[in-house]
Amino acid sequence: GEDVEQSLFLSVREGDSSVINCTYTDSSSTYLYWYKQEPGAGLQLLTYIFSNMDMKQDQRLTVLLNKKDKHLSLRIADTQTGDSAIYFCAEKIGGKLIFGQGTELSVKP
Amino acid sequence: DVKVTQSSRYLVKRTGEKVFLECVQDMDHENMFWYRQDPGLGLRLIYFSYDVKMKEKGDIPEGYSVSREKKERFSLILESASTNQTSMYLCASRLGTNYGYTFGSGTRLTVV
Repeated sequence: GEDVEQSLFLSVREGDSSVINCTYTDSSSTYLYWYKQEPGAGLQLLTYIFSNMDMKQDQRLTVLLNKKDKHLSLRIADTQTGDSAIYFCAEKIGGKLIFGQGTELSVKP
Repeated sequence: DVKVTQSSRYLVKRTGEKVFLECVQDMDHENMFWYRQDPGLGLRLIYFSYDVKMKEKGDIPEGYSVSREKKERFSLILESASTNQTSMYLCASRLGTNYGYTFGSGTRLTVV
């Protein structure tokens, strides 16, 4: 079946690294995504990784994919207060995106 | 930039009312989607459409219907609103299956 799980909350101090984790159950996913939702806004695509990759780096963002364990993580280096948001992981299965519950990241000064 | 516009940011409706949520995209995207977002549940797919006049049920279609008479517009209809349909509704579109999604800003619907 299709299921994507995330923890609901994460709190970090400004300047620290944040690591947001996600597990999924369907091994047929082709792409995995991270979206960011700021308060009162829709979702913006942050980054994505193709399922045959292990890692992708994009400036402060590092995505790690462990396909064997069906585990995806998003690391944000030097976290800033502007990174406070809800982060959703999603897997693409066929033509559809299946979303996790979202992790609310709170960055304290 | 592609824009997905949802006509209302906030809506308050009474139980039993028929409610229309409108979504318009301006980049000739083929596919459009309606999700609802609830705390702790993430985004759940209600309905989607891969082309004009086509519609497919998502994971939670009960109590909803959709209309896609024109390519740019995808409407979500609550035939008889109920309090358990109080939620944030998000519309998204994409050019095709191998392309990313663009989301609207959402409509927060409260049914009283």
